[in-house]
Formats: sequence, C-alpha cells, structure tokens
Amino acid sequence: QLQLQESGPRQVKPSETLSLTCNVSGGSIGTKDTYWGWLRQSPGKGLEWFGSVHFSGSTFYNPSLTSRVTISITPSENRFSLNLKSVTAADTAIYFCARLPSWSGLSYFDSWGLGALVTVSS
Amino acid sequence: EIVVTQSPGTLSLSPGERATLSCRATHAINAKSVSWYQQKPGQAPRLLIFDASSRATGIPDRFSGSGSGTDFTLSISRLEPEDFAVYYCQQSGSSPITFGQGTRLEIK
Repeated sequence: QLQLQESGPRQVKPSETLSLTCNVSGGSIGTKDTYWGWLRQSPGKGLEWFGSVHFSGSTFYNPSLTSRVTISITPSENRFSLNLKSVTAADTAIYFCARLPSWSGLSYFDSWGLGALVTVSS
Repeated sequence: EIVVTQSPGTLSLSPGERATLSCRATHAINAKSVSWYQQKPGQAPRLLIFDASSRATGIPDRFSGSGSGTDFTLSISRLEPEDFAVYYCQQSGSSPITFGQGTRLEIK
C-alpha cells in the first residue's frame, strides 16, 4: 500500500527557506504515468497547489508561487522535496505531499501524506 | 486562473437524507478535470470522485458526481454518520490546479 510521509522542520524563521521532503514507500516514485505534488492548507487560503514533478524531472508550478518555489525529485531515494524561499507568517500552514496518477502534471490527487504543520515565526 | 466556488457553505442534514453539493467554475472545464474530496478534522483530504463522475477505489456507491461546463454536483444518496465532514471540489483543467473553499456537511 502506497504511503507518503512529509518530513522537515516544523518551525521556520521569517525570510528563511522552508524545506520539506516527502518519503514514498510501498511503491516506486519512478512510475511513468505518475506525477508527485505539493499542496498546503491554511484557514485563510484554503487548499493551494504548489506544483507537480515527474521522476524525469518535468515540473509544473503554480504561476502565483513559482518565483519562490522549487520542487525536486530523487528517484534513487524514492522521495521528492519542496523548497519555499523568503517565507512570511502567511506561509504558516499544513503542508501535504500527494500523488497524481497521470501523464500530465495537472490531475487529481489519489494518495496523500498525513500533512505537516509548519509555522513561520521568529 | 479558474476560480471554483462551492455552495452552500454549510449544509445541515440528518442521517438518511440526501445531500446535494454544488461546485461552479468561472470558466468551462473539461468534465474529466473535476474531482471531489472529503476531509475530516486532523486528516488529509480523501479522494471520492474523479473525472466528474468516477468513484475512487473503496468509495461507497451512495456517492455520485455529475455535471458539465461550469456546474458540477456531488450527491450523497443516504447520509451515514461518517459522511459528516467537509467536502472540496477541485479543477485540473488548466493551470493552476484550484480548489473550492469547501462545503461543511453537519448533522442537523
């Protein structure tokens, strides 16, 4: 059974970079017809998609966040990562990683991690 | 960006009743780009419906989806106690992927 687990610091200082990793188990991240994505959820903005990445390195980003976001993938370690730079208090949220069962980076999310609450605070 | 609006914000019903949740997009969406999720407190969203009307694995047949163009609907035929949660619709027809703000289904 596929499992996704977010890991990384739960507290980040303003202006610094938020870094999270999603470790995938129970399946290969190197599946041709699968993308892997990052999202977040906050009371103010609801559910927000950051972007999706394929094991080949192909990436789709949310245009409103692309200047601050980098999503990368490490197939050899079955994981993918999110970097969000120059964070502010508005970036405090629950961050989710998820799978998109599609050849396209735009699809639905059929498997989710448990989520990681990240707080931006000095 | 396609904005997705869900209505009502809160729906109060009793177990055994039928629930109808609406999702409206600012632009027409390919029906194969609409999905629905259920979220309970402290949990990640769970996929219920994809491609507007296909049930995800393990989802009971009391859940059904329909719609086209800009208007989509999630129906729950006979509410069970475990169905009271927040429901989100999502569009992936164009970038960025966007979600509605959610409908809270509460016990009356």
